[in-house]
Amino acid sequence: SQKIEQNSEALNIQEGKTATLTCNYTNYSPAYLQWYRQDPGRGPVFLLLIRENEKEKRKERLKVTFDTTLKQSLFHITASQPADSATYLCALDLLDSWGKLQFGAGTQVVVTP
Amino acid sequence: DGGITQSPKYLFRKEGQNVTLSCEQNLNHDAMYWYRQDPGQGLRLIYYSQIVNDFQKGDIAEGYSVSREKKESFPLTVTSAQKNPTAFYLCASTGGTLLYNEQFFGPGTRLTVL
Repeated sequence: SQKIEQNSEALNIQEGKTATLTCNYTNYSPAYLQWYRQDPGRGPVFLLLIRENEKEKRKERLKVTFDTTLKQSLFHITASQPADSATYLCALDLLDSWGKLQFGAGTQVVVTP
Repeated sequence: DGGITQSPKYLFRKEGQNVTLSCEQNLNHDAMYWYRQDPGQGLRLIYYSQIVNDFQKGDIAEGYSVSREKKESFPLTVTSAQKNPTAFYLCASTGGTLLYNEQFFGPGTRLTVL
């Protein structure tokens, strides 16, 4: 069966450290992989998109890697801040899916001062 | 300000009632989507529309209906046939000429069945 797995346990991290989140998938062949941030009671906000032929993408303090052999994406928040506390969702963008995304359940990140 | 609006923010429904959730966007996006989010689960696609007057079922369409009479609007009706409608409902849109764009989400509607 098709699955997208993100750590269900919250990631507690001290301010200034790097948070690393994992997104694993099975029986999918995504053309793109996207990461979103969601705050409680609000809609997700797009952060980064990485294509299947890209190994790494960066945006300010965020870095995403995409390994299609391992079927895994890693999402890093460097120099984390309390304002980074949120739930982070990965989403698979499949070839010929006409923009439909398959979402993981998300991982909550809590950054403490 | 361009964006997506959803209303109401909170909605309470008695069993057996149909309710309609509003979604409006002024981003000039062609494609619009409705998702349902339950605790501990990923967003699940209910319906989507790629163009005006056309829409397709997503993964969990049973008990829901939609219309797309205008580009800006994509309302979702939760019918009495939906057995477990209590959830957080999110509307999204994506646009431009590319097929693979990020999705822009509205603030969501939390529906509770009393």
